[in-house]
Amino acid sequence: EVQLVESGGGLVQPGGSLRLSCEASGFTFSSFEMNWVRQAPGKGLEWVSYISRSSSSRYYADSVKGRFTISRDNAQNSLYLEMNSLRTEDTAIYYCARGTSDIWGQGTVVTVSS
Amino acid sequence: DVVMTQSPLSLPVTLGQPASISCRSSQSLVHSDGFTYLSWFHQRPGQSPRRLIYRVSNRDSGVPDRFSGSGSGTDFTLKISRVEAEDVGVYYCMQGTHWPPETFGQGTKVEIK
Repeated sequence: EVQLVESGGGLVQPGGSLRLSCEASGFTFSSFEMNWVRQAPGKGLEWVSYISRSSSSRYYADSVKGRFTISRDNAQNSLYLEMNSLRTEDTAIYYCARGTSDIWGQGTVVTVSS
Repeated sequence: DVVMTQSPLSLPVTLGQPASISCRSSQSLVHSDGFTYLSWFHQRPGQSPRRLIYRVSNRDSGVPDRFSGSGSGTDFTLKISRVEAEDVGVYYCMQGTHWPPETFGQGTKVEIK
């Protein structure tokens, strides 16, 4: 079964850091580009970041540029999102999505609050 | 960034009746490769989004044929031929032509009357 499973979310204070993980199974992870997409409480979907198959290209939304870092480990079938200098407006469910967003994980909740 | 505008934002529907959602982009979504990267997603309450349609009119595997996508350039439509109870939730359009960033519409909430 093709599956993406996120983890690493939690409650963090403003200015803090978190590292999200997304573990892939059921497909050849290294053959697909990957994205992170987030959804603030009661709001719509917002693309956050993209990484190419070899990690040679990485892109970020302006709202997270300079604070978030996307990475992947193809040997471990895993995608990561390192989040630093977190703000209250980063509070959201964070989803990893495969390629053209044909497969999504169940999401991991990040809450930034004092 | 390309702005995606959906209408209506709320759509009460009767079971068994058709439903239609519009999505307009602030610029043409025709890519230089000739494809138009416009997708539709459905998100049920408490669940992650699921892609229904890609490249305007192609249904994903397992998507019922009561769902159809159409349009070109800047105007696109998702149609449900006969609404079923499991179709409730929020529908989003998304463009992947002019990225980064990929951009989503605001979402259309479909509920049963």
